Amino acid sequence: GEDVEQSLFLSVREGDSSVINCTYTDSSSTYLYWYKQEPGAGLQLLTYIFSNMDMKQDQRLTVLLNKKDKHLSLRIADTQTGDSAIYFCAESEWNNFNKFYFGSGTKLNVKP
Amino acid sequence: EPEVTQTPSHQVTQMGQEVILRCVPISNHLYFYWYRQILGQKVEFLVSFYNNEISEKSEIFDDQFSVERPDGSNFTLKIRSTKLEDSAMYFCATRPGLAGVGEQFFGPGTRLTVL
Repeated sequence: GEDVEQSLFLSVREGDSSVINCTYTDSSSTYLYWYKQEPGAGLQLLTYIFSNMDMKQDQRLTVLLNKKDKHLSLRIADTQTGDSAIYFCAESEWNNFNKFYFGSGTKLNVKP
Repeated sequence: EPEVTQTPSHQVTQMGQEVILRCVPISNHLYFYWYRQILGQKVEFLVSFYNNEISEKSEIFDDQFSVERPDGSNFTLKIRSTKLEDSAMYFCATRPGLAGVGEQFFGPGTRLTVL
């Protein structure tokens, strides 16, 4: 089955940019997602990108996709302490939303 | 804003016992999912459910597990004869329909501890 890998921890200072990385194995057309989990809450969809795109920007969030290397990144500009959370990368096939594959999550710690 | 709720938030059980984890989906959502996350590991897909039947299940979802939507509101995951390795956080997720990107709405999870 598909595999999604992420590093476990990232620590940045408030105001800096954060870059969270993810690699995946599925080579077919796919949707790739970034979810955020705050303490005591469920995973919340932040943004997504389809595999025919290279980049997607949404306010402070920029998603970059390198399809050749199967590498996805989430850049958070001007990181705030409220951005401290666990960020999950996930993928699904473009025509099958019955099954999703998640990474283990990257815990982002933003220091004031 | 409507949200997915799960009960209990924490369940402690003895090995060999049966547990039922409950989820209340967002109303008018049609697709339901269970995931689990063993501490420090990936969020693993268990099962998806639509129109009162299982759409897809993973290798983890063996005969020990079952799902149902008994009353049209609660969506339950039953784990029979629990094992130590079933200790994990279990997440329920729901999705409105087929159209559009497969955004799922997650509940806060139930932490299951098997002793």
